[in-house]
Amino acid sequence: DQQVKQNSPSLSVQEGRISILNCDYTNSMFDYFLWYKKYPAEGPTFLISISSIKDKNEDGRFTVFLNKSAKHLSLHIVPSQPGDSAVYFCAATSGSNNNDMRFGAGTRLTVKP
Amino acid sequence: NAGVTQTPKFRVLKTGQSMTLLCAQDMNHEYMYWYRQDPGMGLRLIHYSVGEGTTAKGEVPDGYNVSRLKKQNFLLGLESAAPSQTSVYFCASSQFYKYEQYFGPGTRLTVT
Repeated sequence: DQQVKQNSPSLSVQEGRISILNCDYTNSMFDYFLWYKKYPAEGPTFLISISSIKDKNEDGRFTVFLNKSAKHLSLHIVPSQPGDSAVYFCAATSGSNNNDMRFGAGTRLTVKP
Repeated sequence: NAGVTQTPKFRVLKTGQSMTLLCAQDMNHEYMYWYRQDPGMGLRLIHYSVGEGTTAKGEVPDGYNVSRLKKQNFLLGLESAAPSQTSVYFCASSQFYKYEQYFGPGTRLTVT
């Protein structure tokens, strides 16, 4: 069963606008969440993370929001740039076994110039 | 620093053949992982290792074996390949008790 879900396979936004990528999870034991970015023919690279003790974490143009009661997190990219075009994976894990990380299926973001 | 490297990049196997994928990392990371990625699905953990000489099963371990004889290397073996093992395989590593994982570029395996 998929414990981490990204229901939007793709998203297209205009350069300079906000990109919002969403992620839902079902396992209430998850307490640490990450976003990875993946370009074609490369491995995923870590982008930003958030612990369950926080509801927001910001790093430059990237902000992750966590709503524990809804089991939902989102990644905001402002402003979006063409170089942000990639597949974004949401991942979740539990502090009791941080080696078992579960990934969503990914959302392909296209930022149009 | 090469980071995480994977060998080979591409491979085509016939059903029943065997092969080994090699992962190497030069970051002195304790933990290493093997994932597979299939269309419409996220990365799924096959096996992982928390140190030299230790391995453990992940979410989808059947049909695979692993070994970690040296800290910097993590090998993934397919003893008798099946078409269901057609996938892109990613290796990753991480520091002791850190969540962020560093990924290799992937190996695209096709089993006919």
